[in-house]
Amino acid sequence: DVKVTQSSRYLVKRTGEKVFLECVQDMDHENMFWYRQDPGLGLRLIYFSYDVKMKEKGDIPEGYSVSREKKERFSLILESASTNQTSMYLCASRLGGGQVKLFFGSGTQLSVL
Amino acid sequence: AQKITQTQPGMFVQEKEAVTLDCTYDTSDPSYGLFWYKQPSSGEMIFLIYQGSYDQQNATEGRYSLNFQKARKSANLVISASQLGDSAMYFCAMRERNTGNQFYFGTGTSLTVIP
Repeated sequence: DVKVTQSSRYLVKRTGEKVFLECVQDMDHENMFWYRQDPGLGLRLIYFSYDVKMKEKGDIPEGYSVSREKKERFSLILESASTNQTSMYLCASRLGGGQVKLFFGSGTQLSVL
Repeated sequence: AQKITQTQPGMFVQEKEAVTLDCTYDTSDPSYGLFWYKQPSSGEMIFLIYQGSYDQQNATEGRYSLNFQKARKSANLVISASQLGDSAMYFCAMRERNTGNQFYFGTGTSLTVIP
């Protein structure tokens, strides 16, 4: 079965810090995604990547950047964390082409104080 | 306009009973797919079931079935014989062919199974 691993389950950071959220998948998937989940808002797409070094903005990219230097790893970067970025962050991957299913990691609950 | 609408923030069901979680969607793309995911308190999103827009029959996976009513743009999840382990958040999602990698998620329904 596909495994999507997020490096931290819980993270506490200070306002203004640079924050890295890491995600690794083990099934050679082409597509990787970062979502933010907030109560009452569901999941909102921040960025996705369809290949190494390729990325596209999702619905809420402001305040975030991403990096995909290797196929298996997709990093979400908060350049200067703010309290309104306190949220659950979910990474997902998909094989690509006709494969429809998204595989998710277990999420990182980020608190920015 | 919302692409996916889930109007039930919270639902309760008695153990062993069936429950329907509502989902409506909005798209003009004739080719799309509909998904349901379960998110237990552990946080991981678990894929439950998929329905393609051209599929003639409603999708079923064990105790899960998707009641697909295309004309009404409705894709309700039916869970039969509820179990305590079914208590979780449930998300409906859609992917359109034209927008490729974009998956649209609803706001979720919190299901509680009562013993």
